[in-house]
Formats: sequence, C-alpha cells, structure tokens
Amino acid sequence: EAQVTQNPRYLITVTGKKLTVTCSQNMNHEYMSWYRQDPGLGLRQIYYSMNVEVTDKGDVPEGYKVSRKEKRNFPLILESPSPNQTSLYFCASSRPPIGESYEQYFGPGTRLTVT
Amino acid sequence: AQTVTQSQPEMSVQEAETVTLSCTYDTSESDYYLFWYKQPPSRQMILVIRQEAYKQQNATENRFSVNFQKAAKSFSLKISDSQLGDAAMYFCAYRVGYDKIIFGKGTRLHILP
Repeated sequence: EAQVTQNPRYLITVTGKKLTVTCSQNMNHEYMSWYRQDPGLGLRQIYYSMNVEVTDKGDVPEGYKVSRKEKRNFPLILESPSPNQTSLYFCASSRPPIGESYEQYFGPGTRLTVT
Repeated sequence: AQTVTQSQPEMSVQEAETVTLSCTYDTSESDYYLFWYKQPPSRQMILVIRQEAYKQQNATENRFSVNFQKAAKSFSLKISDSQLGDAAMYFCAYRVGYDKIIFGKGTRLHILP
C-alpha cells in the first residue's frame, strides 16, 4: 500500500530535550516536505526537499532541522524544542512537478506538545 | 509574495444542499497547480480535487467541482448534495514548480442534518 508514515504519532516532551520525528514514504517520490498546523493559521511549510541531499527552507524553518540522506526518509529534528513548537506536524511527499499534476500524499500527523 | 486566502473561516449547509467554498490566491506565475484538501476529525489530509492552471476546463470529481477563474485568481469548491461525511476542515493550496507549497487557513464546514 502506498503510504507516508510518521513516528511517533503523539509526543509530549520538555523544553530543550532534542527530538526527531521520522517520516518515510514507499512511493519513490523525489519531493518531501514538512508542515506544521496551528489553529487559525492553516498549514505552514517548514522545510522541503527536492531530492536526496537537496533541502530548502519553507516559511517557518526557525528551530527545525531536516536531512535527506535517503530518498524514502525525511526526518524532522528539533534540537532544542520550545513551547511555541507545540503543534500538529505533517510530512508529505509527491512526484516532481513535470507534466500532469502532482498532489501531495500526507502522513497521519504527529501531535507534539512541548512543556 | 504568493498567498492563498480563504475568506470563510466557517460555513454551514443543510444536508443534501449545495455549498461553495471560496479561495483566492495571489501569484505572478502563469503555470501552477491548485488543490483542495479535506481534513476530517481524524486529521488525515485527503485530496479532494486538483486543477492545472493551463487547463481551461474546470475539474470535477463526483459531487465535488471547482470554479477556476484564472484571470480573477479564484478557485472555489462546490459540493453538491452535501452529506454528513463532508463535515471537515477544507484547505485550498497552491503550488508552482519545485517551489514551496502554500495553503490557505482553512474553512470549517458543518453539515446540518
């Protein structure tokens, strides 16, 4: 089954404790992306990656890191989480924007709470 | 700057009726893609419909259709014969090339039985 998986689905942590949210897709997609969703703000892009070893900042990259060492994986790293990073996080992947349209496939979301 | 605006934070519609959700966007590009996503209480993001800017014909998927007005930069979603399962948050999204993807803030749709 084609899917994007994220782990963990729920996480409660404390300020300053480094954490990683994993994201993996089995569709051989080149493009992967991380979003955060906050009430009243919709989804905002944190980082995206066009292929292995190619990443770029989205609209709200501060406080986050990513890496793309393998095509299927795109982990999100919070080196020193703060309460304002409490949010719902989504990973997504898609084919390259060539030819026909290329919607994103989303993971199930990770609910992160930083106390 | 590219922006996506959903002017209706919340809407309600009677079951079996038709409802239209609005979306406008701002761009200087001529070739891009537009999407509507549905987010039910499960929080899963589900693609509802997509539209390529180079296509003049409005996209349709069963009870869902769009009214794409490229000159006006408008991309509204029409849901016909509304069903209880249509209750969700709906997001309009814009994408051009390999660039970042921009979402609107969402419209929460309530279906009244």
